[in-house]
Amino acid sequence: GESVGLHLPTLSVQEGDNSIINCAYSNSASDYFIWYKQESGKGPQFIIDIRSNMDKRQGQRVTVLLNKTVKHLSLQIAATQPGDSAVYFCAEKPDTGNQFYFGTGTSLTVIP
Amino acid sequence: GAGVSQSPSNKVTEKGKDVELRCDPISGHTALYWYRQRLGQGLEFLIYFQGNSAPDKSGLPSDRFSAERTGESVSTLTIQRTQQEDSAVYLCASSLKTGEGQPQHFGDGTRLSIL
Repeated sequence: GESVGLHLPTLSVQEGDNSIINCAYSNSASDYFIWYKQESGKGPQFIIDIRSNMDKRQGQRVTVLLNKTVKHLSLQIAATQPGDSAVYFCAEKPDTGNQFYFGTGTSLTVIP
Repeated sequence: GAGVSQSPSNKVTEKGKDVELRCDPISGHTALYWYRQRLGQGLEFLIYFQGNSAPDKSGLPSDRFSAERTGESVSTLTIQRTQQEDSAVYLCASSLKTGEGQPQHFGDGTRLSIL
């Protein structure tokens, strides 16, 4: 089966610092990746995505990096704010089929 | 709003009862997904629909689980003879279409508690 895992289950950062959340995936044929943010009691919220033909994509205060060689995905959040406190999930989609595989999540806590 | 809507938001029921969970996807989204999320866990894929058909039912945990979709819109997930291990948050997501790297947009889920 698929395996999408996160290196650290929890992460605490000071407000204003940059955060980096990592994700390892197992299927080298995956061609699409998404980062989601999930706040307590809410559904996952789309943050940013990246296709396998790219190695970097930037959004507003967020950057996703994809290293296909080592099957690693990361989410960088610049100038982390208290509102960024949440659980972050990565998800991958193999190039065949329509199923997304989600990691178990990293809980980010921003310390004011 | 124009997001994915799920109802009820919370459901408490006794073991052995049947429950029906509803999902209203974003208008125009042809793909619809159901996931289960246990406390502190990631998302477990259950089933997806392309239009009204469900080509992939491989994630349904047992024959007590079923789902349908009508009018390429609303979907219901039914759990028969509920068990305590069915307690979880059930999330629905929709996307413009399956494949081709379309992001899924999630509802806030139904929190199901089996007593």
